[in-house]
Amino acid sequence: KAGVTQTPRYLIKTRGQQVTLSCSPISGHRSVSWYQQTPGQGLQFLFEYFSETQRNKGNFPGRFSGRQFSNSRSEMNVSTLELGDSALYLCASSLFRQGQGEKLFFGSGTQLSVL
Amino acid sequence: AQRVTQPEKLLSVFKGAPVELKCNYSYSGSPELFWYVQYSRQRLQLLLRHISRESIKGFTADLNKGETSFHLKKPFAQEEDSAMYYCALRARNAGNMLTFGGGTRLMVKP
Repeated sequence: KAGVTQTPRYLIKTRGQQVTLSCSPISGHRSVSWYQQTPGQGLQFLFEYFSETQRNKGNFPGRFSGRQFSNSRSEMNVSTLELGDSALYLCASSLFRQGQGEKLFFGSGTQLSVL
Repeated sequence: AQRVTQPEKLLSVFKGAPVELKCNYSYSGSPELFWYVQYSRQRLQLLLRHISRESIKGFTADLNKGETSFHLKKPFAQEEDSAMYYCALRARNAGNMLTFGGGTRLMVKP
């Protein structure tokens, strides 16, 4: 099976712009989660989608949003970019079975640089 | 809110020495704990989870609810164990929302 695919791999934007990142989960996986990784804050949960519905949301401002399509592919959008949004954005997919500790499969990430 | 602490940013040991990567957590309920690993130029991947009580690549971890710890151990370190290790917690009914520790870089010297 192909792994989790994230595009683009690298992205450079300027302050005030918006950006859209894409994630294609492993075939058959219905849950997609997004994490932000920075040297200072480490790995932080952004949100999770399952069957096109947001199941959980982390403690990020409303500028961060996401969605999931019927084929389980997901996008996240960051509007009005700030310098502090520079980070590696990781997507992870899993089969979601209620009540069990899920094994997350991570993508390689999108490295976003905000200038 | 839950919190995961990995007190050591860097742990350096010699090949063949025992390894213990520390993980402490705070959570009022009954957590699920995981260890994820990232080898050089590879993706973050699951190493083991406490509910499975498994040993992967010689690593084990026991959940100690009294001490709120989930330390990762291996009796004899190998050079290929060098990697970044992250402890993570999933709260009850939290889906795939994981709280990660800051990570510990393990270096195994020959």
